[in-house]
Amino acid sequence: NAGVMQNPRHLVRRRGQEARLRCSPMKGHSHVYWYRQLPEEGLKFMVYLQKENIIDESGMPKERFSAEFPKEGPSILRIQQVVRGDSAAYFCASSPGGSLRDTQYFGPGTRLTVL
Amino acid sequence: AQSVTQLDSQVPVFEEAPVELRCNYSSSVSVYLFWYVQYPNQGLQLLLKYLSGSTLVESINGFEAEFNKSQTSFHLRKPSVHISDTAEYFCAVSSSGNTPLVFGKGTRLSVIA
Repeated sequence: NAGVMQNPRHLVRRRGQEARLRCSPMKGHSHVYWYRQLPEEGLKFMVYLQKENIIDESGMPKERFSAEFPKEGPSILRIQQVVRGDSAAYFCASSPGGSLRDTQYFGPGTRLTVL
Repeated sequence: AQSVTQLDSQVPVFEEAPVELRCNYSSSVSVYLFWYVQYPNQGLQLLLKYLSGSTLVESINGFEAEFNKSQTSFHLRKPSVHISDTAEYFCAVSSSGNTPLVFGKGTRLSVIA
């Protein structure tokens, strides 16, 4: 059973470009979480999605950031018009259900660098 | 809102020595606690978790953590560390229900031969 897959592993963008980060959850998992890790910081929750639904987006910046988890295909975190402050590691986690007894399994992350 | 404090950003320790990584959380009526480990260039892996029951929880690789409600702590311990334990360790907390994990800033454990 493959783990959580994220691609690309490294992404370089210039200011003003768009960044698209993909996350394929583990087989059988229908819940996806996105976290951001800034340098020297812990992970900060961004958004929690279930298939085709956003359950909790309380950690998402109000502008430029969006996330989706379509019925088919990976979850996508999109950052429009990137700025230098968006440089960070973005981690995706998946779980089979939404309860705390359902362990969140993390992917290897996408390291975004904005020039 | 929940918060997690990991007081030590870096902990160097000699191989086979004991180690304790400290974690304190803000109080809540009910709380669930987790330790994750992150090896270089990898994602986080769950090390152990406390949901209910016995306040002492153990992992398969010799780590243990004790939930102390009165001190709002969930310190991670290992009696004898190995070089392979070198990694970053994150403490996380969540309240009951479908609330997201809140992470501490992490503690970088460096095991010295």
